[in-house]
Amino acid sequence: ELKVEQNPLFLSMQEGKNYTIYCNYSTTSDRLYWYRQDPGKSLESLFVLLSNGAVKQEGRLMASLDTKARLSTLHITAAVHDLSATYFCAPKTGGNKLVFGAGTILRVKS
Amino acid sequence: KAGVTQTPRYLIKTRGQQVTLSCSPISGHRSVSWYQQTPGQGLQFLFEYFSETQRNKGNFPGRFSGRQFSNSRSEMNVSTLELGDSALYLCASSRTGRSGANVLTFGAGSRLTVL
Repeated sequence: ELKVEQNPLFLSMQEGKNYTIYCNYSTTSDRLYWYRQDPGKSLESLFVLLSNGAVKQEGRLMASLDTKARLSTLHITAAVHDLSATYFCAPKTGGNKLVFGAGTILRVKS
Repeated sequence: KAGVTQTPRYLIKTRGQQVTLSCSPISGHRSVSWYQQTPGQGLQFLFEYFSETQRNKGNFPGRFSGRQFSNSRSEMNVSTLELGDSALYLCASSRTGRSGANVLTFGAGSRLTVL
């Protein structure tokens, strides 16, 4: 059974700083998703990572995937307040079954 | 392009009742998945339907069931509601699911409160 460990679970950072969220998973997966969730809202898709060494960037966020280490990272560059949200990683198992991490609550302080 | 539509958005039920939630996927999407989100357990997979067939099922009791219609719309049903069923129920749709950068798009959710 696929297990997902995300850390940190809570991240408070100053505007302008950089930080990385880590996502470890226990068994092979051929696809990994990152989602963002604002309070009281649904999940917004950020990235889909398909292969080993995949790197995707959108604005101040960059995600990478190392399938051999079963590790994905979400790097935040020069954080701004608008990035405050909860971030989830979710590797895929069979079909479209995603196994979500516990989520990282990000608070960016000005 | 219309997104994933879930109805109702909010509902309150009492223990022992049953509830039906509806999900209309993005046009052309044939896969519909359901997830439960609670503060204690996080996001958990309930089931996935593709072309009217259940393709995957999570570890939930038989009180949780679902179905998919020929137009890809899906419903989930929870019978004999318990307090612990209070949650945000999220539906996600995708085009296929077998390969490629298959993005799962989530609806706004149905927030169920069981009293």
